[in-house]
Amino acid sequence: AQTVTQSQPEMSVQEAETVTLSCTYDTSESNYYLFWYKQPPSRQMILVIRQEAYKQQNATENRFSVNFQKAAKSFSLKISDSQLGDTAMYFCAFMKHPNTNAGKSTFGDGTTLTVKP
Amino acid sequence: DGGITQSPKYLFRKEGQNVTLSCEQNLNHDAMYWYRQDPGQGLRLIYYSQIVNDFQKGDIAEGYSVSREKKESFPLTVTSAQKNPTAFYLCASSSLRDTPGNEQFFGPGTRLTVL
Repeated sequence: AQTVTQSQPEMSVQEAETVTLSCTYDTSESNYYLFWYKQPPSRQMILVIRQEAYKQQNATENRFSVNFQKAAKSFSLKISDSQLGDTAMYFCAFMKHPNTNAGKSTFGDGTTLTVKP
Repeated sequence: DGGITQSPKYLFRKEGQNVTLSCEQNLNHDAMYWYRQDPGQGLRLIYYSQIVNDFQKGDIAEGYSVSREKKESFPLTVTSAQKNPTAFYLCASSSLRDTPGNEQFFGPGTRLTVL
């Protein structure tokens, strides 16, 4: 079974600064996907960024980027130029190839990020 | 607009009652999921379904039941057998395709409180 570990329950950052959230996972699979989801105070979960394990290049989406280290099974999220709207709980998630596992994802326990003005 | 709707947003239940949480999607997704989220914790999978008229238990299925009579709908019933049902419930769906877009899409959630 896969496990996902987020070792930072809470973090804070000053507005406009950069913050990195950590995530490690354990799997014997070679083909899989990794995700970061954001859950703001409204509790509506949305996708932040996706990484395919077969891609060596780290994914980026505007101010969000990841550092994917496949051998180390590490998948950290970097938020640049933090904004007040980034305040949320962030979940790291692992998914095997969707055809093999009904698209199920394993989620970490989350990191609560507070952006301070 | 395509998306997932959940109703009601807030639900209060007396002990011993069964309640049903609604989840509907118009994304034409094959798979649907129910999660439970407790304060400060991650998502735990209750049930999931890949196809109409078929569903499987997740990690914490005891005290819950589901049905999948239509592709668009995946209601969750919280039965009186669930010992501690007060929680936030999230419904999600996904396309099961091996392409971008195979992430899970979530509804806005239902907050269930047992009185």
